Amino acid sequence: QVQLVQSGAEVKKPGASVTVSCKTSGYIFTSYHIHWVRQAPGQGLEWMGMINPNDGGTIYTQNLPGRVTMTRDKSTSTVYMELSSLRSEDTAVYYCARGNGWYCLDNWGQGTLLTVSS
Amino acid sequence: EVVLTQSPGTLSLSAGEGATLSCRASQTISNSYLAWYQQKPGQAPRLLIYGASRRAIGIPDRFSGSGSGTDFTLTISTLEPEDFAVYYCQQYDRSSLTFGGGTKVEIK
Repeated sequence: QVQLVQSGAEVKKPGASVTVSCKTSGYIFTSYHIHWVRQAPGQGLEWMGMINPNDGGTIYTQNLPGRVTMTRDKSTSTVYMELSSLRSEDTAVYYCARGNGWYCLDNWGQGTLLTVSS
Repeated sequence: EVVLTQSPGTLSLSAGEGATLSCRASQTISNSYLAWYQQKPGQAPRLLIYGASRRAIGIPDRFSGSGSGTDFTLTISTLEPEDFAVYYCQQYDRSSLTFGGGTKVEIK
């Protein structure tokens, strides 16, 4: 079955960077985009961007200019999301999710809690 | 960027009743790229509806989606206890996804 397993919770100080991983299995890694979505405490869902695991091509939201980078490792079917210059407002649960041809997200990781605090 | 506005913010209903959730887009979007998700506390969202009206795998037929252009609806015909949750709509346009603010369906 399709699985997306994310790395564990992180605590970072303002100004630092964080990398969250998303290891996929149960399907052909290069056939589906991976998206990242975050959710601040008690808030709604915010799309961060997506990566095409086949060629590494990325599209990022304009709301995080220059702060987010998504990469992939074909050998381990894993996608990475790095967020830099962290601020308290980045405290949220970060999800990876598989995107299909209908541009919806049909399988989700379990989420990774990032806490940014001095 | 397409803005999705969901209403109402909260819906207070009893099990056995029907629910109608609205999602309005700031501009016309393709039916193909409108989806609905359910999220329960502490869990990741779950895909319910894609392509405006197609049920995802394993989703009960009490969930249905409809609409076109700028106005879309998620209908739950008869609420089961496990349906009390937050529901989000989502669209794709010009290489960008956006979500609505969510509708919470709570027990009355």
